[in-house]
Amino acid sequence: DTAVSQTPKYLVTQMGNDKSIKCEQNLGHDTMYWYKQDSKKFLKIMFSYNNKELIINETVPNRFSPKSPDKAHLNLHINSLELGDSAVYFCASSQMLGRSGGANEQFFGPGTRLTVL
Amino acid sequence: LAKTTQPISMDSYEGQEVNITCSHNNIATNDYITWYQQFPSQGPRFIIQGYKTKVTNEVASLFIPADRKSSTLSLPRVSLSDTAVYYCLVGDGSSNTGKLIFGQGTTLQVKP
Repeated sequence: DTAVSQTPKYLVTQMGNDKSIKCEQNLGHDTMYWYKQDSKKFLKIMFSYNNKELIINETVPNRFSPKSPDKAHLNLHINSLELGDSAVYFCASSQMLGRSGGANEQFFGPGTRLTVL
Repeated sequence: LAKTTQPISMDSYEGQEVNITCSHNNIATNDYITWYQQFPSQGPRFIIQGYKTKVTNEVASLFIPADRKSSTLSLPRVSLSDTAVYYCLVGDGSSNTGKLIFGQGTTLQVKP
């Protein structure tokens, strides 16, 4: 009964390819996120969706396109993969958007380690 | 957005109490302070959250002084399994987006 799941766990691919990472949450949450964690362990938010609507887009290249078919899923599609895209990508969800300045508790998935060769 | 500063790394021994202090001088009035824990090859996990004074749960305690410009995460009697990266975050008080800003975190190494 995993709360936030991601597939695949590992993804190795060549430069220039297009790949997708899937995320699903069974917590009934309204908001989902994608984060990127680089080799130096910095965790940076990429996107946030609330009820299938894009809320945050943190100046991420257009090659990254999130898709939310329903509020339990937020998939990440990446076109024309580059070496610099190699990182661990985490999906997360929360029950609601940040309450009046509060930092809402987010539940993270296990991560997808993407390696671009 | 409030920025946080915390030590890059800390070492401790099993059974000791560990205190990790985080500075957040620009914290906004409505911001909460939240701590996450990340084990290797896992996603971050919520530990504790507070607004002021002291908060305690089954995992940790969070001490927040009156000016709220800093906070201290206290882990009682750590064990080897507490070896992880600990992130201090403050909420984005400028917009209702749920956005969390993760800093570099503190890598805690617990030794036997």
